[in-house]
Amino acid sequence: EAGVAQSPRYKIIEKRQSVAFWCNPISGHATLYWYQQILGQGPKLLIQFQNNGVVDDSQLPKDRFSAERLKGVDSTLKIQPAKLEDSAVYLCASSLSSWGRSSYNEQFFGPGTRLTVL
Amino acid sequence: SQQGEEDPQALSIQEGENATMNCSYKTSINNLQWYRQNSGRGLVHLILIRSNEREKHSGRLRVTLDTSKKSSSLLITASRAADTASYFCATVRMGQKLVFGQGTRLTINP
Repeated sequence: EAGVAQSPRYKIIEKRQSVAFWCNPISGHATLYWYQQILGQGPKLLIQFQNNGVVDDSQLPKDRFSAERLKGVDSTLKIQPAKLEDSAVYLCASSLSSWGRSSYNEQFFGPGTRLTVL
Repeated sequence: SQQGEEDPQALSIQEGENATMNCSYKTSINNLQWYRQNSGRGLVHLILIRSNEREKHSGRLRVTLDTSKKSSSLLITASRAADTASYFCATVRMGQKLVFGQGTRLTINP
């Protein structure tokens, strides 16, 4: 079974530039997550999609970050304009679960995109 | 904000020894999970323990949960070089949202 795919794996940009990351979840997974992991810290959830709808984006800096999952499959995360503090690894994960279900479905993580903002 | 706090932040042991990592959290939870992250790779789910469980085993892994103390521990027995990684606890309060701690960096020396 193919895992969660992400691209690019690495990206270096200058501050104030724009950048986009792509994620293709495991086939059939309804829920997709984007996390930000700053060096030395644990991942922090940025946004959660259920199919093509947003379930939770409470920690997404909406003045510069945006994400979409138009057809309920793959997703893009964009930063515009980037700041130095956006340097981090951006992880995408997917799971079978539906929001509100009591049983837990495991989240499967992609390899991440390492972003460096100079 | 991050809910869990792992202790120690870094741990270095000899191959074959046991490694114990602890996680403390602040609010009531539905379940607690442990993940491993190797250098340059994504996170891998290791084990989940529900709030009504006290201990769980998976191979060389043993997880305990004390909800009265809001703490959990991960024990890796008979460590191997391949166990070198960062280990994160993550709590779930409701739904599917994971809240990660800052992690423990484990180094297994040959």
